[in-house]
Amino acid sequence: GNSVTQMEGPVTLSEEAFLTINCTYTATGYPSLFWYVQYPGEGLQLLLKATKADDKGSNKGFEATYRKETTSFHLEKGSVQVSDSAVYFCALSDSGGSYIPTFGRGTSLIVHP
Amino acid sequence: KAGVTQTPRYLIKTRGQQVTLSCSPISGHRSVSWYQQTPGQGLQFLFEYFSETQRNKGNFPGRFSGRQFSNSRSEMNVSTLELGDSALYLCASSLGQGGSYNEQFFGPGTRLTVL
Repeated sequence: GNSVTQMEGPVTLSEEAFLTINCTYTATGYPSLFWYVQYPGEGLQLLLKATKADDKGSNKGFEATYRKETTSFHLEKGSVQVSDSAVYFCALSDSGGSYIPTFGRGTSLIVHP
Repeated sequence: KAGVTQTPRYLIKTRGQQVTLSCSPISGHRSVSWYQQTPGQGLQFLFEYFSETQRNKGNFPGRFSGRQFSNSRSEMNVSTLELGDSALYLCASSLGQGGSYNEQFFGPGTRLTVL
């Protein structure tokens, strides 16, 4: 079956530091890949997505590139802010007819001023 | 445009009881999916409804059921509650049936505590 593995958190950084959150996946076929963010007390929000190999998703300074050869979709940001503190989820969706999304366990990011 | 709303936001029940959670999708969205989020298991897909029909189902026992109404609002029911059902239940809506190109918009969730 499909699976998503994320690095365990929490990840603790100082403001303006570089962020990388690793995500690798296993899937049959050619899935679409997503990063969602969950702020305290809220539901998940789509941060970015990529639908085919070598696609780069980007939003709000965050980027992730769909790497089929390494089955990875690492999230990066050049300079984090305190307001980026949240839980980040990597996810995939099957590209076939049946859509049952698979989420990683989430990585908590804490950014200190 | 109003976002996805879920009611109630918090709920406390005892073992053996049953509970119904409600989700109102974004106007115009026809697909509603439900997820269970727990610290131990993370985020797990329960089921998806599209045009009043269950289209996909995750690996949960039959105690978990749902339905969707003609206005796309959805309800989820859990019967014979167990302690392990304590979780944050998230609802997400999208324009079309789930798939690679249909972005999901999540509600804030219902926090269910089973005592």
